[in-house]
Amino acid sequence: QKEVEQNSGPLSVPEGAIASLNCTYSDRGSQSFFWYRQYSGKSPELIMSIYSNGDKEDGRFTAQLNKASQYVSLLIRDSQPSDSATYLCAAFYQKVTFGIGTKLQVIP
Amino acid sequence: DAGVIQSPRHEVTEMGQEVTLRCKPISGHDYLFWYRQTMMRGLELLIYFNNNVPIDDSGMPEDRFSAKMPNASFSTLKIQPSEPRDSAVYFCASSLVWGSTYNEQFFGPGTRLTVL
Repeated sequence: QKEVEQNSGPLSVPEGAIASLNCTYSDRGSQSFFWYRQYSGKSPELIMSIYSNGDKEDGRFTAQLNKASQYVSLLIRDSQPSDSATYLCAAFYQKVTFGIGTKLQVIP
Repeated sequence: DAGVIQSPRHEVTEMGQEVTLRCKPISGHDYLFWYRQTMMRGLELLIYFNNNVPIDDSGMPEDRFSAKMPNASFSTLKIQPSEPRDSAVYFCASSLVWGSTYNEQFFGPGTRLTVL
């Protein structure tokens, strides 16, 4: 079983809607969590990091962390076609472990 | 800065051949990481270096894989002999610092390896 679990998707949302991406992790020692965006054929880029329980907002992006439930999520408000990409969840405990990624499709 | 540079961008080789992938990290970054990405297994850390010293190579799949960092501006990942199951995209990444509260890695464009 992979240590960081994500639904591979695709997740399809209409333009302007909220996209909700979810991730669970198995290692309770994980200390920090990250969301990377990867466009098709490109390399991953960091978009959000979160270290404590609760919400963290950055523009249209909100990361949510619940350590008791071992759950991390990423909300994208007012989704745009340019948000169409694969979103990788990652957890850090001694090293960074990535999930398989969720493919998001924003339909115009 | 030009970012992390990797070469070649694409490599097609035959089973049994030696493959060498190259990486130049961002100047001043003390940490260098090699990852492999496949559809089935996602992005996996193979090895990482700190100040040119290998710190964790537990992700290296087997002895056919080796990595070196002879200086702060250059690293290689070698596969000898290569096998079809090694086909993947190999990413190099670098980071200025590394730890639980700061983990921004900058990824290179990747090398798409196909082993026939």
